[in-house]
Amino acid sequence: QKEVEQNSGPLSVPEGAIASLNCTYSDRVSQSFFWYRQYSGKSPELIMSIYSNGDKEDGRFTAQLNKASQYVSLLIRDSQPSDSATYLCAGRNSGNTPLVFGKGTRLSVIA
Amino acid sequence: EPEVTQTPSHQVTQMGQEVILRCVPISNHLYFYWYRQILGQKVEFLVSFYNNEISEKSEIFDDQFSVERPDGSNFTLKIRSTKLEDSAMYFCASSTQGTMSNQPQHFGDGTRLSIL
Repeated sequence: QKEVEQNSGPLSVPEGAIASLNCTYSDRVSQSFFWYRQYSGKSPELIMSIYSNGDKEDGRFTAQLNKASQYVSLLIRDSQPSDSATYLCAGRNSGNTPLVFGKGTRLSVIA
Repeated sequence: EPEVTQTPSHQVTQMGQEVILRCVPISNHLYFYWYRQILGQKVEFLVSFYNNEISEKSEIFDDQFSVERPDGSNFTLKIRSTKLEDSAMYFCASSTQGTMSNQPQHFGDGTRLSIL
């Protein structure tokens, strides 16, 4: 199993809908997880981090972590066309160790 | 809000030449990283740096690569003899010190390196 896996998409949702982005991971990167948003040609921009089982909400974003299933997701409520970007899931094992990124899921929000 | 800054934004170099990519991490951060992203591919870790030495490096970071923190603010990545396959976006990132595993890394805008 690759360390961090994501469906590359594209995932298309209508404006105002909930976008659900998913990520699975291996044991090597199992401590904490980060969702980054990357617009084309730009740098990754941190959206949320999560390291405890359950949900974590920040505005329109909710991150969900299920360590038993090795699964982490990001929900975007009330999706806007400006949310159209590639969403990168990254994990790591501890402290300040390097991030391991998935390939990213391209999200397209249709107005 | 403090940010990581990188220069230049775009570097075009002939194959075999040396390049130096520069980064100014966020001022109170102590951990520094270089990542690269080849067009259309995922972000890959190159090297991490802490307390004036390399703390971890990937298999990509071979003898052609080196990093340096020449003063209190800059963090540089040098590629000694560039190859065509070094063409990529290079991102610098930094984070604060902490034992919590959720210390986020903040990325600079990147340097697009094009090898001709």
